[in-house]
Amino acid sequence: EPEVTQTPSHQVTQMGQEVILRCVPISNHLYFYWYRQILGQKVEFLVSFYNNEISEKSEIFDDQFSVERPDGSNFTLKIRSTKLEDSAMYFCASSDEDRATGELFFGEGSRLTVL
Amino acid sequence: SQQGEEDPQALSIQEGENATMNCSYKTSINNLQWYRQNSGRGLVHLILIRSNEREKHSGRLRVTLDTSKKSSSLLITASRAADTASYFCATDPWETSGSRLTFGEGTQLTVNP
Repeated sequence: EPEVTQTPSHQVTQMGQEVILRCVPISNHLYFYWYRQILGQKVEFLVSFYNNEISEKSEIFDDQFSVERPDGSNFTLKIRSTKLEDSAMYFCASSDEDRATGELFFGEGSRLTVL
Repeated sequence: SQQGEEDPQALSIQEGENATMNCSYKTSINNLQWYRQNSGRGLVHLILIRSNEREKHSGRLRVTLDTSKKSSSLLITASRAADTASYFCATDPWETSGSRLTFGEGTQLTVNP
């Protein structure tokens, strides 16, 4: 069964360092998302991406964050200068349908620990 | 406004019993979805119910939606130990332009063998 894959599964970094989290969405999907979940808290929307541009972003997704689809398969989230509060599980998701029917398929997540 | 608040926060039942989880939300929605998350794992989509639907079934799952009360419930019948997980409702609000799901805090379900 097709699945969303994420790498790395766990990354430890020092505060101020740049981090890139990678995702390979399901191949025929057109809509891509990043969500995050701080330990013990709810899952929060970061950004949605369609047709090679950001379609929506949350207040969390500030100038330190960026997303890119560098080729036909990868979808990346970059954090330019990590802060302690960026420590969280980051989930990539994809969908082949717009909001009207929008089941999202999530990856297993990348755990980011900022020291 | 805060969306998707589930109750109870935690639920412990015996195998074979039914589990009911509730979700309330505050704004108008396009649809409401339920997801499951095993500890330390990703989210798995269970079921989606549109704003013009009142009830939906999928296997042992039954979801209801009451838009007048802005609430939904998820019923898992004949529960199994493998159903142990966190369950989240997620709403797709009308006022956003894209598919931006707002998740609740979740209900931690424990099914004891």
